[in-house]
Amino acid sequence: AQKVTQAQTEISVVEKEDVTLDCVYETRDTTYYLFWYKQPPSGELVFLIRRNSFDEQNEISGRYSWNFQKSTSSFNFTITASQVVDSAVYFCALDIMNRDDKIIFGKGTRLHILP
Amino acid sequence: GAGVSQSPRYKVAKRGQDVALRCDPISGHVSLFWYQQALGQGPEFLTYFQNEAQLDKSGLPSDRFFAERPEGSVSTLKIQRTQQEDSAVYLCASQSRSGPEAFFGQGTRLTVV
Repeated sequence: AQKVTQAQTEISVVEKEDVTLDCVYETRDTTYYLFWYKQPPSGELVFLIRRNSFDEQNEISGRYSWNFQKSTSSFNFTITASQVVDSAVYFCALDIMNRDDKIIFGKGTRLHILP
Repeated sequence: GAGVSQSPRYKVAKRGQDVALRCDPISGHVSLFWYQQALGQGPEFLTYFQNEAQLDKSGLPSDRFFAERPEGSVSTLKIQRTQQEDSAVYLCASQSRSGPEAFFGQGTRLTVV
């Protein structure tokens, strides 16, 4: 069975601080995708990034960076120099490759950036 | 359209009423998913279509829930005889052939009173 765990239910940081959102996943499949989505108050889930299981290179996009480590089954997300607009719920998710199947989501981490 | 469109955005139903929720996926997207998101939780899978074929409906919580996509484009999620535990946000997502990421609509917030 597949599972995604986001242990941090809620995080508050002051603007301009760095913050890391943790994600741990479980699967017996060897090929899979991992995702991060952002859900602002408007409700829409916004796709942020996809990583393939065979590509462990970390990725940086502006203030966002992702650290994928297969050895610990983790896919953590760091926001550098946080801004109030980063306030949202963030979801980590897992999808098994080559299977017409559902994306499995964690329960999400609610991030508050305080001005 | 430019993104996934869902209607209505908000729906209040009296317990026992039937409701129908609509999803317009991104044009050309073959796959379509419905998810249910309870307050404070992550989205939970309900059902999946590839074109007009419903390939997986294992997440539908009861036989009161029914989904269709007759022409392989617009989809409707119908809930019969609504109950209070059906109150949630219902999210629709579509997916192209070229990538596994799914693109979501803004959801329909259903409140059963």
